[in-house]
Amino acid sequence: GAVVSQHPSWVICKSGTSVKIECRSLDFQATTMFWYRQFPKQSLMLMATSNEGSKATYEQGVEKDKFLINHASLTLSTLTVTSAHPEDSSFYICSAGTPQRGWRQPQHFGDGTRLSIL
Amino acid sequence: AQTVTQSQPEMSVQEAETVTLSCTYDTSESDYYLFWYKQPPSRQMILVIRQEAYKQQNATENRFSVNFQKAAKSFSLKISDSQLGDAAMYFCALDAGYALNFGKGTSLLVTP
Repeated sequence: GAVVSQHPSWVICKSGTSVKIECRSLDFQATTMFWYRQFPKQSLMLMATSNEGSKATYEQGVEKDKFLINHASLTLSTLTVTSAHPEDSSFYICSAGTPQRGWRQPQHFGDGTRLSIL
Repeated sequence: AQTVTQSQPEMSVQEAETVTLSCTYDTSESDYYLFWYKQPPSRQMILVIRQEAYKQQNATENRFSVNFQKAAKSFSLKISDSQLGDAAMYFCALDAGYALNFGKGTSLLVTP
């Protein structure tokens, strides 16, 4: 079946640094990828929708300059947390879909990235 | 606006017994999909079962089945013959043409 690979799985870094998270679709072309954030014992909250070749669409309340999203190819989307601070510590999950496979097909999820800012 | 409500923060079931997790939703769309995802401690999102809104027949996947009541906008998950490996967070999710909209989740504990 389709696989979405997300790296790194866990990252610890100092406050003020920038962290890049990659989301790759391994066996299909993902024209759309979604980035979610999950706090402990809470649900997944959509942060932004990433469309290949165009600007990402951010949900209300998500800082565009803090969470930079790039979807330069049909198999790769990246989320960069810029000047990260302890409050950015969270679990970030990507998922991928493509209209060619049908919008209503189950989105395929990466395994997530645990981000800890010291 | 689309909303998904899971009113049971925690549920407990004995091994081999049956448990039902509740989910209600709201959408103005007529064409949509509903899902149940399992998230074990590894935090990987695992698709358990899906239901197309236009299908009246309830979806079934081995020990997992749903009770889809479209008029009531209800989508409950029944787990039969519960196993220790079923212990996890379960999220109900709605796809009405955009990103998935998740409920707050139900933590399922399975006791021996």
